[in-house]
Amino acid sequence: ETGVTQTPRHLVMGMTNKKSLKCEQHLGHNAMYWYKQSAKKPLELMFVYNFKEQTENNSVPSRFSPECPNSSHLFLHLHTLQPEDSALYLCASSQDRGGNQPQHFGDGTRLSIL
Amino acid sequence: AQKVTQAQTEISVVEKEDVTLDCVYETRDTTYYLFWYKQPPSGELVFLIRRNSFDEQNEISGRYSWNFQKSTSSFNFTITASQVVDSAVYFCALSEAYSGGSNYKLTFGKGTLLTVNP
Repeated sequence: ETGVTQTPRHLVMGMTNKKSLKCEQHLGHNAMYWYKQSAKKPLELMFVYNFKEQTENNSVPSRFSPECPNSSHLFLHLHTLQPEDSALYLCASSQDRGGNQPQHFGDGTRLSIL
Repeated sequence: AQKVTQAQTEISVVEKEDVTLDCVYETRDTTYYLFWYKQPPSGELVFLIRRNSFDEQNEISGRYSWNFQKSTSSFNFTITASQVVDSAVYFCALSEAYSGGSNYKLTFGKGTLLTVNP
């Protein structure tokens, strides 16, 4: 069983809907990440949180809004998405932002925008 | 230019064959870390191995082995006697510090889809 849990596993939404993706880690880690994985593209880092503070926003459109209420939980709020936002969204966590720390990933949320 | 290049987009082998997945990276840092991850159809990326730039010793773990060569900036991954359960996408990744700071960024290659046929 993975130490990083993402819900829902699948989400279909219209472009005008508002939904949220949830990520929870049970590993006692202090850093959490959102990645976007599109077909035939490398994983794209979206946001990084370290000790609940956002330390990186990789030029992500404002229709994606992250929230990190504590070191164990991370949310991605979605609003007015576009068809090109359809992708697998992966959450990850690591002990800290040190380079030698492996990131542990959840199963992802498969998002489809109609 | 890509920082992490996995030139093999797809590889298909028959069970019990050995297979090597190539990874070439680019960095100006003297301290960096290299990773391999496995992504089965379920979607989760599974951490396989980490190597730091100062340790060129090759590593073997069961049927998996890794060859790190700084001279050619390569970190190749070999699966010996492949099995159907090895079918997945494999990602190589490079961890470098941001502008000489203490925070690191992980950059992934595009991945290699390995299919092991029975």
